[in-house]
Amino acid sequence: NAGVTQTPKFRVLKTGQSMTLLCAQDMNHEYMYWYRQDPGMGLRLIHYSVGEGTTAKGEVPDGYNVSRLKKQNFLLGLESAAPSQTSVYFCASTSMRVSYEQYFGPGTRLTVT
Amino acid sequence: SQQGEEDPQALSIQEGENATMNCSYKTSINNLQWYRQNSGRGLVHLILIRSNEREKHSGRLRVTLDTSKKSSSLLITASRAADTASYFCATDATGANSKLTFGKGITLSVRP
Repeated sequence: NAGVTQTPKFRVLKTGQSMTLLCAQDMNHEYMYWYRQDPGMGLRLIHYSVGEGTTAKGEVPDGYNVSRLKKQNFLLGLESAAPSQTSVYFCASTSMRVSYEQYFGPGTRLTVT
Repeated sequence: SQQGEEDPQALSIQEGENATMNCSYKTSINNLQWYRQNSGRGLVHLILIRSNEREKHSGRLRVTLDTSKKSSSLLITASRAADTASYFCATDATGANSKLTFGKGITLSVRP
């Protein structure tokens, strides 16, 4: 089992460019999450999904979109990147039928110049 | 808004000593979880305590929960240099629909 994987690991964007971060999990989890982590701020929830085809906003959703077309994948999109979106992005997944713990990916470090 | 707030923000101890970290939260919860993050890595789940539990053990970890004070503590006994990491508490608030709210974290340094 690979667990939760994220691609890419690093990316540098110019202001206004777009990109998609991919999260994949092989644990058949229903729930998936996107967080951002900034120094001194802990983790903040961007968007989440409780199942294939469904998404919902978290605490800081502005400037991001998500899609969950397949159960194992959760995509995070930045349509027009801004320097304020420079951060480390983490994906996580969980299965409420098994336990409530979240499994995290290794993170994507994004810099917007 | 941050549901969980950890205390202290940073802790430095000698190998072999115990490390105690505290977390306070604001609303009623279903459960509270502790995670560890090594530098440059993703978070790893350590332990979960449900709202109807008062204490839980896992190896060298001991977690307590006081719902009347809305607080939890994580004790790591006989610390090792490998315990050096950031530790986060996360709350699953009642009615939050599976969403966890994380605190800002505690940086633990264990000196060899």
